[in-house]
Amino acid sequence: DTEVTQTPKHLVMGMTNKKSLKCEQHMGHRAMYWYKQKAKKPPELMFVYSYEKLSINESVPSRFSPECPNSSLLNLHLHALQPEDSALYLCASSQVGGKDGYTFGSGTRLTVV
Amino acid sequence: GQQLNQSPQSMFIQEGEDVSMNCTSSSIFNTWLWYKQDPGEGPVLLIALYKAGELTSNGRLTAQFGITRKDSFLNISASIPSDVGIYFCAGLYTGANSKLTFGKGITLSVRP
Repeated sequence: DTEVTQTPKHLVMGMTNKKSLKCEQHMGHRAMYWYKQKAKKPPELMFVYSYEKLSINESVPSRFSPECPNSSLLNLHLHALQPEDSALYLCASSQVGGKDGYTFGSGTRLTVV
Repeated sequence: GQQLNQSPQSMFIQEGEDVSMNCTSSSIFNTWLWYKQDPGEGPVLLIALYKAGELTSNGRLTAQFGITRKDSFLNISASIPSDVGIYFCAGLYTGANSKLTFGKGITLSVRP
C-alpha cells in the first residue's frame, strides 16, 4: 500500500461546529504531517509528528488540534474556525527525516461558513 | 526562513514541445523533490534527487540536482495534454525535525 488516505474529501462547517479530519497510511512511515493549502499557493506546513509525538507546531492557532493515536493514523480536530480557514488540508507521511520524500494524500477541501 | 524561487508563475506550451523549469534556493539542501499537483488533488512526487550533480529520469521527465546544491531543474519532453498542472519544486535537509520547503509552483498549460 503506497497511499495516504484522507477523509472526508469535502467538508462544509459552520463557525461554531466541531469536526475532525482523518488521515491514514500503511507504508510504515513514522513521520506524518498536516499542511494547509490556499488556491494557487504552495502547501504550508502546520504540524509534524515523529514517532507519534508532536515535534513541530508552526505557530498554528489553537482552534486546530492535531492528534496521532497510532503510527498509521493522524487526525486534525477543528473547532470555532473562521471563514479564512477555508482551504485544502493535506496530510503527508514519510520516513522520519524525510528520506525518499513525502507522500501526500488527496486532501480535504474545507469550507467554513 | 528558507525560500525557493520558481518562475515564471505560468507557462504555456504547444503539445509536443519540450519545457524546462528551474528552481533556486538561498540555502543548501541535500534532497530535491519535484511534485505535480492536479486540481483538487494532493501533490504527487515525480522525481527525487539525493546527490549534487545527480541526473535522474522518469519517463519523459528528467531532473538534475545542481552542483552547488542550491538549484535544480526539471525537463519535460514531448509534452502531452495530461502534463497540465502545477509543478512544485521542494527542498529538504534530511534529519531530525526536517521540514520540506516548497517553491511557489509553476502552472503549466499545454495547447493541443
